[in-house]
Amino acid sequence: EPEVTQTPSHQVTQMGQEVILRCVPISNHLYFYWYRQILGQKVEFLVSFYNNEISEKSEIFDDQFSVERPDGSNFTLKIRSTKLEDSAMYFCASSARTGEGDQPQHFGDGTRLSIL
Amino acid sequence: AQTVTQSQPEMSVQEAETVTLSCTYDTSESDYYLFWYKQPPSRQMILVIRQEAYKQQNATENRFSVNFQKAAKSFSLKISDSQLGDAAMYFCAYWPDNYGQNFVFGPGTRLSVLP
Repeated sequence: EPEVTQTPSHQVTQMGQEVILRCVPISNHLYFYWYRQILGQKVEFLVSFYNNEISEKSEIFDDQFSVERPDGSNFTLKIRSTKLEDSAMYFCASSARTGEGDQPQHFGDGTRLSIL
Repeated sequence: AQTVTQSQPEMSVQEAETVTLSCTYDTSESDYYLFWYKQPPSRQMILVIRQEAYKQQNATENRFSVNFQKAAKSFSLKISDSQLGDAAMYFCAYWPDNYGQNFVFGPGTRLSVLP
């Protein structure tokens, strides 16, 4: 079964540094999402992306965040100047235009981001 | 805005017994989906079960079943014959049946299974 792949599984970065989290969505999917889960808290929506532009974003997704689909296969989340509170698990998800399979959004296994 | 509430931060159950996790949600939509996700210590998000709002029949998946009460906006998960491997965080999630829209997750219930 096709999967959403996220790399790296764990990223450790110094505060103030830029970090890029990578995702390879399922190949025929058209909608892409990033979610964040701070340890011990619920999963929160960050941003959705369709047709090479942001379609929705939450209030969490401020100017230090950006997303890109640079080469038609990868979907990246960049955090420009990381803060301690950016430490979290980041999940990528993708979906097709029409319903297929057992879930409308397929989640990757997440990238654990630790800011020192 | 849609919200999802899980009123039980923690639950425990004896192995082989049955436990029910509660979830309520708020929406003005008539068509939507509800999900239960399991998150083990590895923190992967594993789909347990889903329910389409237009279906009156409650979804079942092996030992997992739901009690979906649309009018009450309630969506509880019943785990029968609990196993040690069921211990995890369980998140209830809402999705408004629109492929541009995001999931809305509840705060989670931590389930412990006692041997």
